[in-house]
Amino acid sequence: GENVEQHPSTLSVQEGDSAVIKCTYSDSASNYFPWYKQELGKRPQLIIDIRSNVGEKKDQRIAVTLNKTAKHFSLHITETQPEDSAVYFCAASGGSYIPTFGRGTSLIVHP
Amino acid sequence: DAGVTQSPTHLIKTRGQQVTLRCSPKSGHDTVSWYQQALGQGPQFIFQYYEEEERQRGNFPDRFSGHQFPNYSSELNVNALLLGDSALYLCASSGPGSNQPQHFGDGTRLSIL
Repeated sequence: GENVEQHPSTLSVQEGDSAVIKCTYSDSASNYFPWYKQELGKRPQLIIDIRSNVGEKKDQRIAVTLNKTAKHFSLHITETQPEDSAVYFCAASGGSYIPTFGRGTSLIVHP
Repeated sequence: DAGVTQSPTHLIKTRGQQVTLRCSPKSGHDTVSWYQQALGQGPQFIFQYYEEEERQRGNFPDRFSGHQFPNYSSELNVNALLLGDSALYLCASSGPGSNQPQHFGDGTRLSIL
């Protein structure tokens, strides 16, 4: 089955800095890669996703890049704000339609 | 347009009991997946329902079972509860087609005493 590794487990940045979270996956058949943000006590919310026919996707301050050859994808947040503080999860899915989640990255943005 | 709704929000049970959790998918969604999220961990896939059938199942014992109704809503049943079943149970729905974005509910916090 699919295996998703996510790093780092904790990321602390100053407000205004950029943050990068990296994930690797094992199943070359995976073709859909969503990212979720989960604030304390709340539901995971889809913030951006990318499919394997695209190398990069941007949405305002958030971008995701995908390297199919290396089987890794990354989330980039620019100009971080305190409200970006949350746990971020990457996931990968393919023919099974079921996303496998990483273990999460706790992002802390200091004002 | 209501999103994914789950009930109850919190539940306390004792070992050996059984529990039923409920989920109503987002309007227009026909697929429901259930996840278990332990504290500090990512969601772990339990199973997925589509057209009232279990389409995929994760690595969970038979004590975990489910059902999907004609209106696409779903139930998760857990029998013979163990202390280790304490977790946040999340329901996610998605629309027609493969690898569609999943939208999560707020979850049910299940505590086993």
